Amino acid sequence: GENVEQHPSTLSVQEGDSAVIKCTYSDSASNYFPWYKQELGKRPQLIIDIRSNVGEKKDQRIAVTLNKTAKHFSLHITETQPEDSAVYFCAGIAGGTSYGKLTFGQGTILTVHP
Amino acid sequence: DAGITQSPRHKVTETGTPVTLRCHQTENHRYMYWYRQDPGHGLRLIHYSYGVKDTDKGEVSDGYSVSRSKTEDFLLTLESATSSQTSVYFCAISESEALPNEQFFGPGTRLTVL
Repeated sequence: GENVEQHPSTLSVQEGDSAVIKCTYSDSASNYFPWYKQELGKRPQLIIDIRSNVGEKKDQRIAVTLNKTAKHFSLHITETQPEDSAVYFCAGIAGGTSYGKLTFGQGTILTVHP
Repeated sequence: DAGITQSPRHKVTETGTPVTLRCHQTENHRYMYWYRQDPGHGLRLIHYSYGVKDTDKGEVSDGYSVSRSKTEDFLLTLESATSSQTSVYFCAISESEALPNEQFFGPGTRLTVL
């Protein structure tokens, strides 16, 4: 099955700085990589995702990049704001399945200091 | 929030008792999932369903069973609860038949087994 490793486990930045979270995956046939944001006591919220046929996707201050050769993908947040503080999870889906069996990373606690 | 509700939202029970958690959706989506979330482990898939009466095991299915007799309801049962099943349980659905991998989460159920 798929194995997803996420780093760092905690990340602290100053408001306005950029933040980068990286995930590696094991299954070379994986084809879908979402990122979720979870605020304390709330449900995970899908913020961006990327499929294996593209190398980068942007949505305002958030971007995700995918390197299929190296089997890693990264979340980039620019111009960070205090409201970006949350736990971020990456996930991957093993190749060959269409039923959404996501494997999640362990999460990154992002703190943005005003 | 994709019309997903979970009940109960909080439950405290004793070791050895049966527990059933309910996930309800209002949009007739085909795919539904149960995850548990524990510190240091991210989200782990317990069981999933790809239609009425069609279910399959996920990564951590031991000690859990599921049923889906109607499109809108997906039930998770702990036959005999143990302290290791203390966790936050999230239901998720996939809204699009064309994108079964894009998942949206319910509000969660916090279960404590004493």
